[in-house]
Amino acid sequence: DTAVSQTPKYLVTQMGNDKSIKCEQNLGHDTMYWYKQDSKKFLKIMFSYNNKELIINETVPNRFSPKSPDKAHLNLHINSLELGDSAVYFCASSLAGADTQYFGPGTRLTVL
Amino acid sequence: AQKVTQAQTEISVVEKEDVTLDCVYETRDTTYYLFWYKQPPSGELVFLIRRNSFDEQNEISGRYSWNFQKSTSSFNFTITASQVVDSAVYFCALSEGAKTGANSKLTFGKGITLSVRP
Repeated sequence: DTAVSQTPKYLVTQMGNDKSIKCEQNLGHDTMYWYKQDSKKFLKIMFSYNNKELIINETVPNRFSPKSPDKAHLNLHINSLELGDSAVYFCASSLAGADTQYFGPGTRLTVL
Repeated sequence: AQKVTQAQTEISVVEKEDVTLDCVYETRDTTYYLFWYKQPPSGELVFLIRRNSFDEQNEISGRYSWNFQKSTSSFNFTITASQVVDSAVYFCALSEGAKTGANSKLTFGKGITLSVRP
C-alpha cells in the first residue's frame, strides 16, 4: 500500500501552460508539505498545510497555488509555467509538524 | 534561522570500506530534530533516522550508525562495510521543535553523493 502518492510522475509541458500535481496520503497524518528539488538536488520547502489550513508559504511566486480539499490531499496548481519551474516536486506528510516526514515518489516537471 | 551544512559533496569508496558522512547544523532552538534521508538513483526520498535534541545517544541500525554531538552541533552518519546498494545521495535535515507552525519545515543540507564501487 502506497503511503504518500503523487500523480503524475512525469509532466512535460510548454511555457505558459497551467498544470496541476496531485498528492494523497493514507497515513492518517495531519500535516502535508510540498518541496521543490532543483537540478542541483537542493531540496526546499514550498508550502505546508495542517488539517487543511495553510501554515507555511515560503516566498513562492503566487503562480503556485496549493489546495487542500481534505487533510489526506494536497494538490499543487501552477499557472503560467516558466522554464525555471522545471524541477522535481515532492509531496510529504507527517503526523504533526516536528514528526518524521514521509515523502511521495516525486513529480518531475519539465517546462519546454 | 536554521541551517544545515554538508561540506562533503561527493565521496567515492570501494565496497566493504567504512564511510562517514558529515552533517553540521545551526539553530537557536533548544528543542529540535535531526534527520537523515537517502535518495537512491531511482529518485525517491527514504527516511533513515530521526533524533531529538535531548537524546545524544548514538544509534546503530545494522551497518548504519549515527553520532550526535551537541557540543559540535554535528550529526554524522557512518556506513560500515559499504555495499554498492548504498550508492545514493544522502541528506541531513533539521526541524525546529514546534508541533505546528512555520518551524515544522525541514531544512535540508545540500546532500552528499556517495558512490560505492565494486
